[in-house]
Amino acid sequence: DVVMTQTPPSLSVAIGQSVSISCKSSQSLVASDKNTYLNWLLQSPGRSPKRLIYQVSKLDSGVPDRFSGSGSEKDFTLKISRVEAEDLGVYYCLQGTHLPFTFGSGTKLEIK
Amino acid sequence: EVQLVESGGGLVQPGRSLKLSCAASGFTFSNYGMHWIRQAPTKGLEWVASISPSGGSTYYRDSVKGRFTISRDNAKSTLYLQMDSLRSEDTATYYCATDNGDGWFAYWGQGTLVTVSS
Repeated sequence: DVVMTQTPPSLSVAIGQSVSISCKSSQSLVASDKNTYLNWLLQSPGRSPKRLIYQVSKLDSGVPDRFSGSGSEKDFTLKISRVEAEDLGVYYCLQGTHLPFTFGSGTKLEIK
Repeated sequence: EVQLVESGGGLVQPGRSLKLSCAASGFTFSNYGMHWIRQAPTKGLEWVASISPSGGSTYYRDSVKGRFTISRDNAKSTLYLQMDSLRSEDTATYYCATDNGDGWFAYWGQGTLVTVSS
């Protein structure tokens, strides 16, 4: 199974600051079709997960451009610029290239 | 608006069965792959099973293979998860999710809680 190592496990940040979350995979996530199926999800408190970013860097509709994704092969980053109160929750990376699909362990973002 | 509504969760004894449903609306259900993902209490997310748009291909994590069956009824826009021989470690909130034209796991339902306990 592909292991997704996500760091840090938690972050505490003031409104307006920027943060980065890392996700490293144990295998390359480049698929046979040359796409890289790495998603970022946010689970707000008491809610179901919501996809923010797909294929490493593509923002879902309605997601603020304060969010950005980058990376390639086995090393990926989610950056949130100018954090807002609504950004709190747990962020997960998810790889959809190899079965079984696997998630990172999550990064809990708290607002100072 | 895409909506996914799970149902069928509840309290069940170890070794018994339960069938979850996920009613979909707001998109052409038969065009997209569907997934079940679970989250044990206070834990992270774990992929359970997936099914192709036609239902002809199914995929499972090893720990549920032979016990769980994913299926779909495209005429009813509904996804199912038949869970047999349930174990305490299957206790979790179960979410269904759909792909969209932009890729995998695009939309998620609100989840249904399954508790396996005697």
